[in-house]
Amino acid sequence: KAGVTQTPRYLIKTRGQQVTLSCSPISGHRSVSWYQQTPGQGLQFLFEYFSETQRNKGNFPGRFSGRQFSNSRSEMNVSTLELGDSALYLCASSLFPRIPPGELFFGEGSRLTVL
Amino acid sequence: AQSVTQLGSHVSVSEGALVLLRCNYSSSVPPYLFWYVQYPNQGLQLLLKYTSAATLVKGINGFEAEFKKSETSFHLTKPSAHMSDAAEYFCAVSEINNGGSQGNLIFGKGTKLSVKP
Repeated sequence: KAGVTQTPRYLIKTRGQQVTLSCSPISGHRSVSWYQQTPGQGLQFLFEYFSETQRNKGNFPGRFSGRQFSNSRSEMNVSTLELGDSALYLCASSLFPRIPPGELFFGEGSRLTVL
Repeated sequence: AQSVTQLGSHVSVSEGALVLLRCNYSSSVPPYLFWYVQYPNQGLQLLLKYTSAATLVKGINGFEAEFKKSETSFHLTKPSAHMSDAAEYFCAVSEINNGGSQGNLIFGKGTKLSVKP
């Protein structure tokens, strides 16, 4: 069974640009969530989608957005990039968003560098 | 609100020695607790989880953790470290609002485990 696939794995952008990251969940998983990982702040929850609806959102500015498609694939977008947005962005999928809670399967992440 | 504290950002042990990674949580309701491992340049992998069944939880790769409500702890242990255990370990609690799990996780800052030959 294929795992969670994230693309691209690495990318470099400059300040002010925007970026779109993609995530394909494990087949049959309907919930997708996104986390940002940085050395200073650690792992922080961005948002969660289930059945194309955002179910939960972390404490991030509106520059961070996402969506989920009918096939459960998800994208997240960051507009007007700032240096502080440099991070590893991790996507995780699960069968359902809350049952069982927290049993997430993570992709290898997309490493974004903002210059 | 829930929170997790991992004591020690770096832990170094010798191969064959006991591994003990500490995690304390804060939660006003019975928590769901997890340990994840992250190898270099990879995502996170679930080691084990506590969901209010047995207090001693066994996970993959010989790891186990014990839920101690009185100490609000969920420490991760392994009797004998292997070189392949070198990685970063994260303790996490499921966020709960309005009496229900939100599904997202609140992570500790992580502990990097080094294993010396």
